[in-house]
Amino acid sequence: AQKITQTQPGMFVQEKEAVTLDCTYDTSDPSYGLFWYKQPSSGEMIFLIYQGSYDQQNATEGRYSLNFQKARKSANLVISASQLGDSAMYFCAMRELAGNMLTFGGGTRLMVKP
Amino acid sequence: DVKVTQSSRYLVKRTGEKVFLECVQDMDHENMFWYRQDPGLGLRLIYFSYDVKMKEKGDIPEGYSVSREKKERFSLILESASTNQTSMYLCASSSSGSTDTQYFGPGTRLTVL
Repeated sequence: AQKITQTQPGMFVQEKEAVTLDCTYDTSDPSYGLFWYKQPSSGEMIFLIYQGSYDQQNATEGRYSLNFQKARKSANLVISASQLGDSAMYFCAMRELAGNMLTFGGGTRLMVKP
Repeated sequence: DVKVTQSSRYLVKRTGEKVFLECVQDMDHENMFWYRQDPGLGLRLIYFSYDVKMKEKGDIPEGYSVSREKKERFSLILESASTNQTSMYLCASSSSGSTDTQYFGPGTRLTVL
């Protein structure tokens, strides 16, 4: 069974608008961490934001915020005021306390329109 | 800043060749990882290492081996490359804290003919 599901293979957003990228996860571990990465066409994976399962508040990093709904097991990434440079693949990942490994979703390709 | 480097951005090899992919990190991280990335499949973990000379199989270890003789260096070895190993290979490193992020190298795009 998939542990991380990203249901949007591709999305368009107008420049300067906000966009939400969906991520749902499945784990029985009470302690886990959720990560979002950006992968531009150059191929490098860039860490964006982290949310711990016990964090009381949703994580924010500049224009990135994480809409964490623990009961629904979702960790959606919100990008505010989209920029052309935000066009990239975005991956959601989960790390369970039991190990050092990250499990990745299939990714969402975001395309920002001028 | 964390820096993870990979020996090649692009590599073309022939079926049956032995292939070495090298990864070096400069942040004294304990953990290092090798992933392959294929369209529609996301990133899949091949092997990881949590200390020098220590290694653990990931989700898809078949056809691969690894070597970690020094803390900063983690090598992925394809003993006899096959066409189905054509892929993007990404190396990552992290320290051992439960919230610690994995930092990635730029990737190696390997084509096996």
